[in-house]
Amino acid sequence: NAGVTQTPKFRVLKTGQSMTLLCAQDMNHEYMYWYRQDPGMGLRLIHYSVGEGTTAKGEVPDGYNVSRLKKQNFLLGLESAAPSQTSVYFCASSFSRSLNTEAFFGQGTRLTVV
Amino acid sequence: QQQVKQSPQSLIVQKGGISIINCAYENTAFDYFPWYQQFPGKGPALLIAIRPDVSEKKEGRFTISFNKSAKQFSLHIMDSQPGDSATYFCAAASSGSARQLTFGSGTQLTVLP
Repeated sequence: NAGVTQTPKFRVLKTGQSMTLLCAQDMNHEYMYWYRQDPGMGLRLIHYSVGEGTTAKGEVPDGYNVSRLKKQNFLLGLESAAPSQTSVYFCASSFSRSLNTEAFFGQGTRLTVV
Repeated sequence: QQQVKQSPQSLIVQKGGISIINCAYENTAFDYFPWYQQFPGKGPALLIAIRPDVSEKKEGRFTISFNKSAKQFSLHIMDSQPGDSATYFCAAASSGSARQLTFGSGTQLTVLP
């Protein structure tokens, strides 16, 4: 059982380049989330999705776009990378019907923008 | 706007000691309070969670204490072990917000052998 899988694990981008981070979950979860983790700031929500074909903005959405074309996949795009987007990105998923909202996290993507 | 404030930022404890991490929240709509544990190079993993209808929850060596009137909750790790050395995040979520987690800033715990 793979859980939540993120691709790639590491990436270095030049300023202005674009890239897409892929998140895949095999737990049939409705909810999926993208967070970024920066030192001393915990994890901050970028975008989230409550189901296939739906997305919504989180706390820090600027500079990012997302898509949820299939229930199991949630893509995070950077159209024009900036050094401020250097971070570790985590995808998570959860089962909407659970009162105890355990979110399962992937292992992260470490992105460096130079 | 930091809705969940966590302290301390770092904590060093001797093996066998008690580790205590505190969090305070502002949003009274929060109704789910989990703690996540993160090891270097890994994603956060749920450690223990509590809902506001109880004041304490214990799972093994880990206990959450919850004070609804003060809007505070804390994690106690009894008999701390070197294997507990990790970063701990408190978080909060509300049922009406797609269960988005709002995280504290994290506490790096080091348990000395």
